[in-house]
Amino acid sequence: KNQVEQSPQSLIILEGKNCTLQCNYTVSPFSNLRWYKQDTGRGPVSLTIMTFSENTKSNGRYTATLDADTKQSSLHITASQLSDSASYICVVSPSNDYKLSFGAGTTVTVRA
Amino acid sequence: GAVVSQHPSWVICKSGTSVKIECRSLDFQATTMFWYRQFPKQSLMLMATSNEGSKATYEQGVEKDKFLINHASLTLSTLTVTSAHPEDSSFYICSARDGGVSGDEQFFGPGTRLTVL
Repeated sequence: KNQVEQSPQSLIILEGKNCTLQCNYTVSPFSNLRWYKQDTGRGPVSLTIMTFSENTKSNGRYTATLDADTKQSSLHITASQLSDSASYICVVSPSNDYKLSFGAGTTVTVRA
Repeated sequence: GAVVSQHPSWVICKSGTSVKIECRSLDFQATTMFWYRQFPKQSLMLMATSNEGSKATYEQGVEKDKFLINHASLTLSTLTVTSAHPEDSSFYICSARDGGVSGDEQFFGPGTRLTVL
């Protein structure tokens, strides 16, 4: 069973609107949680990195939150743009292993 | 941030041939490099971990004789898909760690699309 579950699997939003992606994880103990953006046919690009003691981290129009007690994270995209169309992947790094645990990703499509 | 490159970005080959993919860390020394495979609409799956100057560690189910990994220097790792078959067609992504300078962050390459005819 995957230790990192993302929802929804995909979503479509209109340009300018906001959206929130969810990530639930069971990895424990964990060192940090990251959100990546992966454009089609490209490698993942880091958006935010949060340690277990951080609750929120922003990168421009992207804001990630983390609740280490409930093992949940979210990524909020504000004022979406067409270029935000991509897959967003939640990745958890265990504190006792170098191997990363990847979520399956949420595919976001922004339409004009 | 640290930059990782891959070459080629895409390759098409005939069944039975071998293909080599390069992964380079451009502005840092990568003590550890990772190779992932990603099928359409799926997440990245770790294939193997390579440390400079030592043998790669393969994940369960990954054939070491089919996916040859060489990490000969601190800036270069190669993945050779030997006797490729259509089922090996996939998106191969490498990542690199900088030995702890940036914590345990892995920097990903842009990926290589392999199509085996």
